[in-house]
Amino acid sequence: NAGVTQTPKFQVLKTGQSMTLQCAQDMNHNSMYWYRQDPGMGLRLIYYSASEGTTDKGEVPNGYNVSRLNKREFSLRLESAAPSQTSVYFCASSGRDRADETQYFGPGTRLLVL
Amino acid sequence: GESVGLHLPTLSVQEGDNSIINCAYSNSASDYFIWYKQESGKGPQFIIDIRSNMDKRQGQRVTVLLNKTVKHLSLQIAATQPGDSAVYFCAENSGYSSASKIIFGSGTRLSIRP
Repeated sequence: NAGVTQTPKFQVLKTGQSMTLQCAQDMNHNSMYWYRQDPGMGLRLIYYSASEGTTDKGEVPNGYNVSRLNKREFSLRLESAAPSQTSVYFCASSGRDRADETQYFGPGTRLLVL
Repeated sequence: GESVGLHLPTLSVQEGDNSIINCAYSNSASDYFIWYKQESGKGPQFIIDIRSNMDKRQGQRVTVLLNKTVKHLSLQIAATQPGDSAVYFCAENSGYSSASKIIFGSGTRLSIRP
């Protein structure tokens, strides 16, 4: 049981390049999330998916798109990377019910945009 | 707007002493609170949670206290060990019914003096 996995671990992009961050969970969770964490700050929600087939914007969605590919996988895409998107990106998942709402996090993807 | 904040950005504690990390929240409608631990280079790790119908909850060496009157949350770590060195985040669930939408504070760094 790996929990939440993310690929890649590290990535360097040039301004204007695109890339997709991958996330998968094996806990049979309904909800999945993408956060970014900037130095010395807490996590800010980019997008989330309450269930397969649905996605919604979080606090900082501009410059990103997401795809809930199936129940296990939730990807984050940067169409045209900007230096302001240099950050650490975390994926998380949780159950649907209020009794199972704790979010469990992946190890993160460290992205540098030059 | 809603916010979750921390009173102290850094805390230095003697090994073996108890640590107390404080957190204030502003959304009186929040009914679920979580403490996460984040070690360097890793994703946030769930420590303990508490619902608003409780004042106190204990885990292994950790206790969370909730004071709804003053909207204050604290994490107590007993007999602090070197492995407790990390950044600790409090978080509140903003109560979205479709997903567990958590708002994170900015974090407190706990360092242990030998």
